[in-house]
Amino acid sequence: DTAVSQTPKYLVTQMGNDKSIKCEQNLGHDTMYWYKQDSKKFLKIMFSYNNKELIINETVPNRFSPKSPDKAHLNLHINSLELGDSAVYFCASSQRLGGYTFGSGTRLTVV
Amino acid sequence: GQQVMQIPQYQHVQEGEDFTTYCNSSTTLSNIQWYKQRPGGHPVFLIQLVKSGEVKKQKRLTFQFGEAKKNSSLHITATQTTDVGTYFCAGRYNFNKFYFGSGTKLNVKP
Repeated sequence: DTAVSQTPKYLVTQMGNDKSIKCEQNLGHDTMYWYKQDSKKFLKIMFSYNNKELIINETVPNRFSPKSPDKAHLNLHINSLELGDSAVYFCASSQRLGGYTFGSGTRLTVV
Repeated sequence: GQQVMQIPQYQHVQEGEDFTTYCNSSTTLSNIQWYKQRPGGHPVFLIQLVKSGEVKKQKRLTFQFGEAKKNSSLHITATQTTDVGTYFCAGRYNFNKFYFGSGTKLNVKP
C-alpha cells in the first residue's frame, strides 16, 4: 500500500491549459502539503492544509488553487499553465510537526 | 526572512571515504529534520533533532544539532554507492512549516 500517492506521475501539456494533480494519503496524518521542486532541486512549500483547513499559503500565483475535500486528500489545480510552471510537484503529509512522508512526485512539463 | 543555508552544494567522494553536509541558520531553530532523495526519487525522512547539542546515529550516519540550535550536520562514515543522492536539511522556526536547505548532492565513485 502506497502511503502517499499522487497522480499523474508525468504530465505534459501546452501553455494556457488547465490541469490538476491529485494526492491521497492513507497514513491518518492530519496535515498535507504541496511542494514544488525546480530544476536545481530546491524544495519550496506552496500550500499546507490541516484537517481540510488552509494553514500555509506561500507567495504562489493565484493560478494555483489547492482543494482538500477531506483530510486524506489534497488536490492541486493549475490554471493557464506557463512555461515557468515546469517542475516536479510533491505532495506530502505529516502528523503534527513530525517527519514528512512524500509522494513520488508529478513531473509537469509545459510546452 | 527565515532561511536555512546548506553546504556544500556538491560532493564527490571515493567509496569508503567520509562525507559531511552542514546546515546553518542565522536565527535559532526549534528543530531540524534531514531527508535523502535518490536520483529520480522523492525525499525520504531520515531523522528529526530537537534538543540543543543532540547527537543521533543511524548505522553509518551521524546527525548533530548545535548547542545554539543554529546549525546541524550529517556525517556519513565510509560511504557506499548506495549513499548516492541529495541530502536535505529542513529547519523549523516558530511557525507551522519547515524551510528546506538547498541540498547537498553526493556522488560516490566505486
